[in-house]
Amino acid sequence: DGGITQSPKYLFRKEGQNVTLSCEQNLNHDAMYWYRQDPGQGLRLIYYSQIVNDFQKGDIAEGYSVSREKKESFPLTVTSAQKNPTAFYLCASSGQRDSNQPQHFGDGTRLSIL
Amino acid sequence: GEDVEQSLFLSVREGDSSVINCTYTDSSSTYLYWYKQEPGAGLQLLTYIFSNMDMKQDQRLTVLLNKKDKHLSLRIADTQTGDSAIYFCATGRRALTFGSGTRLQVQP
Repeated sequence: DGGITQSPKYLFRKEGQNVTLSCEQNLNHDAMYWYRQDPGQGLRLIYYSQIVNDFQKGDIAEGYSVSREKKESFPLTVTSAQKNPTAFYLCASSGQRDSNQPQHFGDGTRLSIL
Repeated sequence: GEDVEQSLFLSVREGDSSVINCTYTDSSSTYLYWYKQEPGAGLQLLTYIFSNMDMKQDQRLTVLLNKKDKHLSLRIADTQTGDSAIYFCATGRRALTFGSGTRLQVQP
């Protein structure tokens, strides 16, 4: 079945450590997105990519980094510079980079600090 | 910047209709979206409406759009306990701006 796969489902980070969240899609979508969700709040955009080898910062990019080397994959690294990383991270993709296509979401990764 | 606002909580009885409301500031979006989130899960696209439409019906779901007032609503007919979840309104041309979500509680 086509879809978006995020892994792992749960992740724990130690102080000073970088961690990477995986997002893979087999929908042949051009655009991919990373959002952060804090309890009782909506989603906030971290980074997005409209095409391979290109990405843009969202509203809360500080302390995060991404890469887009393949169309199917858009990993997110939470660096040690992100002082409050505990949140639910959601990856999404949409069909065409220059048109308004609905975004489809993965099941999320919950990141906690040890 | 863009802003999307929703009421935080709605409680209805099973079998009643639910109406979830949303107001937004960005009028440039081509589409406006409703997503559903169940506990611990990602977001499920429920329905969306093209910005030049006033209404869209999809089985038990009816979306109403008032462009003049920048108001979007989602009506769920014959609400079931399985409809209990958080519902998000979202707008945007590429990256989306989301409301804070409305928690729908359905009482048996």
